[in-house]
Parts: sequence; C-alpha cells; structure tokens
Amino acid sequence: AQSVTQPDIHITVSEGASLELRCNYSYGATPYLFWYVQSPGQGLQLLLKYFSGDTLVQGIKGFEAEFKRSQSSFNLRKPSVHWSDAAEYFCAVEGYQKVTFGTGTKLQVIP
Amino acid sequence: DGGITQSPKYLFRKEGQNVTLSCEQNLNHDAMYWYRQDPGQGLRLIYYSQIVNDFQKGDIAEGYSVSREKKESFPLTVTSAQKNPTAFYLCASSRDAQETQYFGPGTRLLVL
Repeated sequence: AQSVTQPDIHITVSEGASLELRCNYSYGATPYLFWYVQSPGQGLQLLLKYFSGDTLVQGIKGFEAEFKRSQSSFNLRKPSVHWSDAAEYFCAVEGYQKVTFGTGTKLQVIP
Repeated sequence: DGGITQSPKYLFRKEGQNVTLSCEQNLNHDAMYWYRQDPGQGLRLIYYSQIVNDFQKGDIAEGYSVSREKKESFPLTVTSAQKNPTAFYLCASSRDAQETQYFGPGTRLLVL
C-alpha cells in the first residue's frame, strides 16, 4: 500500500521569507503526486500536480514542487511567503487506484 | 460556474438519528468521493463511486451509506451506527478514477 509522510506538523515563517514543506511518499512505481491547500473551514484547493515529465512543477500562487525519485520526495517551495499563505497544506499520492493524503502541515506566517 | 457544492455547511445530529450530507457537481465528472477529516489525521476515504449506480467502500465505511442514482449527485448518510460522527466531511470529484480530484467546501457535522 502507498503512504505519505509530512514530517512537519506546524511551521512558522516570517512574511517575505522562503518556504519549503516536506513530503515523502512510499509507492512501488512512479506515482502521481499532488499538493493541496486548505484554509480554515474550507475545502481543499489544488496547488499543483506531478504526473510525469519535468520533475520541477509550477503551480498556482507562486508555488513549485520538485519530484526527486531517489529520495521519494515531493517538497513544496515558495521563494517569498505572503501573509495570505497561512493555511494547512496536504501532500497526496495516487496509486493502486486510490489517493492517500498526508496528515498535513499547518503554516503560520508572522509579520 | 462549474464546481462542487456541499450542503449544509453545518449539520447537527441527535443521538440515534441518521443525517444526510448533500454533494452535487456540475463538472460532468464520472467519479465522486467522500472523505472524513479529523484534526491531525488528514483525510480518510469513506466511499467512492466511479460511475452511476456503482460505489465502493473506502477505508472507513462502517456507519456510513451512500447512493449514486445521478451522475451529478453523491449523498452521504451518517447512520446511528457511526458512534463518533463529529468531523469535517469533504466531497470530491474527478473526471475519472485516475484523474485529479477537486473538492467541495465541506460540511461540519456536530453531535448534540
């Protein structure tokens, strides 16, 4: 069975600082990978996805993620965080005809 | 506007009561899903449907039931057998089972 690990439950960054959220996955073949963002009390919004091809994926809101097969990772990055980026971020892997979500990382942005 | 709607936003359940959460999509998607979200546990799959009149149990189906009589609708019933129903429930859909899932705004279920 596939699995996803987001090792950081909570991260705090200063506005304007760079951000990297970690995601590690376990799956026997090349996975489909996703990052979603959730504001409090809201549904999940897709930030970006990796299916194949270029391992550096650009998404909405200035986010990008890099697929590293050798490290089984799909970390999310943003060069300069805005206060509106404060939310919870979920990594997900699709394989064996189902999607498995990580437990999420809550991002706090301080002025 | 194409999208997924869930209603109500908040729902209260009394002991021994069944309640039904609505999920409607106008994206013409074949596949639909129900997830339960609890703090610190991410999303867990309750039921999914890849096509009309067909659905399968997910990882935590006990105490829940669904129907898929129309392509655009996938209601979830939380039965009295579900002993810990308080959670945030998210509906999602995708063009087919292998495609990206898109989410509705969620329903928060509380027990009185």
